Amino acid sequence: AQSVAQPEDQVNVAEGNPLTVKCTYSVSGNPYLFWYVQYPNRGLQFLLKYITGDNLVKGSYGFEAEFNKSQTSFHLKKPSALVSDSALYFCAVRDGSNAGNMLTFGGGTRLMVKP
Amino acid sequence: DTGVSQNPRHKITKRGQNVTFRCDPISEHNRLYWYRQTLGQGPEFLTYFQNEAQLEKSRLLSDRFSAERPKGSFSTLEIQRTEQGDSAMYLCASSSVNLVSNQPQHFGDGTRLSIL
Repeated sequence: AQSVAQPEDQVNVAEGNPLTVKCTYSVSGNPYLFWYVQYPNRGLQFLLKYITGDNLVKGSYGFEAEFNKSQTSFHLKKPSALVSDSALYFCAVRDGSNAGNMLTFGGGTRLMVKP
Repeated sequence: DTGVSQNPRHKITKRGQNVTFRCDPISEHNRLYWYRQTLGQGPEFLTYFQNEAQLEKSRLLSDRFSAERPKGSFSTLEIQRTEQGDSAMYLCASSSVNLVSNQPQHFGDGTRLSIL
């Protein structure tokens, strides 16, 4: 079984400040980790993924995420938040050792960036 | 636009009616997935296809739900005898998976189903 926890329902940050959205995961095999963003009444947009290699992954719109195997975490970060970053963010995991491709999502974190 | 396309965007129906949703994936993608998202929650996996073969089904997919991908291109998701609890956003995603690469799933904008 695989699971994802996003411990914060909402994160508030001032524009220009750094942001972090937390994610921890549980998977029996190799973790393939993803971050997606969702705007109102829209589907999910892919931001970045970790499959293998460098623990720091860079993605779209200036976002990055750090894979930490010992802490089973994959926190999303951005050095300087924009008001337009305000949205719902989802972390997802799948078991890379499994031929299936099912993603398990966390419950989401709402990011509010205030001017 | 070559993204994942879902129709209709919104569907309102009475309890007990049947509904069908359509998903057109990105053309070169061989895998197609269906997820359900209820308000305030993350998407939950329902089923996926590799080409025309349905390879995995979640236990969330009751016998009132059926999905098809007859020619390995577009897919349909049908819900028979709809119930109040079926109200949700139904999301379709597609990806390209082969021995060399492992691409992320790309999502459509979903079909929002409301059961009266």
